[in-house]
Amino acid sequence: DAGVIQSPRHEVTEMGQEVTLRCKPISGHDYLFWYRQTMMRGLELLIYFNNNVPIDDSGMPEDRFSAKMPNASFSTLKIQPSEPRDSAVYFCASSLWTGSYNEQFFGPGTRLTVL
Amino acid sequence: QQQVKQSPQSLIVQKGGISIINCAYENTAFDYFPWYQQFPGKGPALLIAIRPDVSEKKEGRFTISFNKSAKQFSLHIMDSQPGDSATYFCAASHQVTGKLIFGQGTTLQVKP
Repeated sequence: DAGVIQSPRHEVTEMGQEVTLRCKPISGHDYLFWYRQTMMRGLELLIYFNNNVPIDDSGMPEDRFSAKMPNASFSTLKIQPSEPRDSAVYFCASSLWTGSYNEQFFGPGTRLTVL
Repeated sequence: QQQVKQSPQSLIVQKGGISIINCAYENTAFDYFPWYQQFPGKGPALLIAIRPDVSEKKEGRFTISFNKSAKQFSLHIMDSQPGDSATYFCAASHQVTGKLIFGQGTTLQVKP
């Protein structure tokens, strides 16, 4: 298995532009998570899906952020308009519920820089 | 109540020494406690995990000690190696939601 795939790996954009981050989870996994990592705030859960349905988006910082999961093999995180404070590494993770715990597998991340 | 507190923030250990990282939680609904290892430029990867029904779990040089009554758990890295230099995150998973709450991370440097 190729693991969780994220694209692009690096994104540099200007303030006000729309940014779309993409994620392909591990085949067969039923949970998908989006995280943001910064030095100041560490790893923050933004939103997670179960069987393509958003379950908890309480971590999404504001309305500029949106996430979709149109099918079991693809998810997007969109920021519109982007701001310099959105600069961070964004991780996607997926997992398969075993009935007792949820081992999450992380992708390599997208490093976003907003100028 | 959703927080997981991790310490120290950074740690320097000599090769062959023991690295110890501590975490504490408050929410008794947490029922799964993994440790993740992250190298620069990579995503976190599961290192070792424990359930609260056991007090210790060992995998090679890595051991988790779990104290349910104190709501604390720790990672011990025996015979630390330069290749262990990375950032380590503890986490706790909620038994109902399955969400992982991460500690702030500990940057470990093992000096040769």
